[in-house]
Amino acid sequence: DQQVKQNSPSLSVQEGRISILNCDYTNSMFDYFLWYKKYPAEGPTFLISISSIKDKNEDGRFTVFLNKSAKHLSLHIVPSQPGDSAVYFCAATRSGNTPLVFGKGTRLSVIA
Amino acid sequence: DGGITQSPKYLFRKEGQNVTLSCEQNLNHDAMYWYRQDPGQGLRLIYYSQIVNDFQKGDIAEGYSVSREKKESFPLTVTSAQKNPTAFYLCASSIEEGQKRFFGSGTQLSVL
Repeated sequence: DQQVKQNSPSLSVQEGRISILNCDYTNSMFDYFLWYKKYPAEGPTFLISISSIKDKNEDGRFTVFLNKSAKHLSLHIVPSQPGDSAVYFCAATRSGNTPLVFGKGTRLSVIA
Repeated sequence: DGGITQSPKYLFRKEGQNVTLSCEQNLNHDAMYWYRQDPGQGLRLIYYSQIVNDFQKGDIAEGYSVSREKKESFPLTVTSAQKNPTAFYLCASSIEEGQKRFFGSGTQLSVL
């Protein structure tokens, strides 16, 4: 049973517009959520995270929103740039050094 | 520079052979993790270790073994019992504070 779901395998967005990537989770014990960006044949790089005590976290062009009642989070990228084209993974965990549980990823293509 | 080093970048395994993937970190992190990525799939947890001389199975531990004799090192052995070993393997580490996981650059394992 998938605890973290990214239901859109791919997304195409025009350069300069907003990219919205969505993620749903089922385990109510998760209290920390992260987004990673990954290029082929490379390790994921950390983008942004959010604790369950918040509903929004912003870092430059990246904003993550958390809706605990809906068990849903989203990553907004504004404005989107061609260099943002990559696979984005949503991940969730509980407090402590517990493993991350990953979604299957969404491939974002930003078209110039 | 602190970081996680995975080696080799590419590895080939013959039928019936055991191979070992190396993961070393100089971040002084307590916890280390091994994930496997298959095309179109998320990252699935193989094994993790929260402290030296201790490790736990993840979701797909069958056919794999690990050791954690030193804080800096967490090698993964892909045994002949793993019938479908071709995948991209990622090592990660973390400290409890901040919850971020830092990833290595990965090892692509293929079967000859």
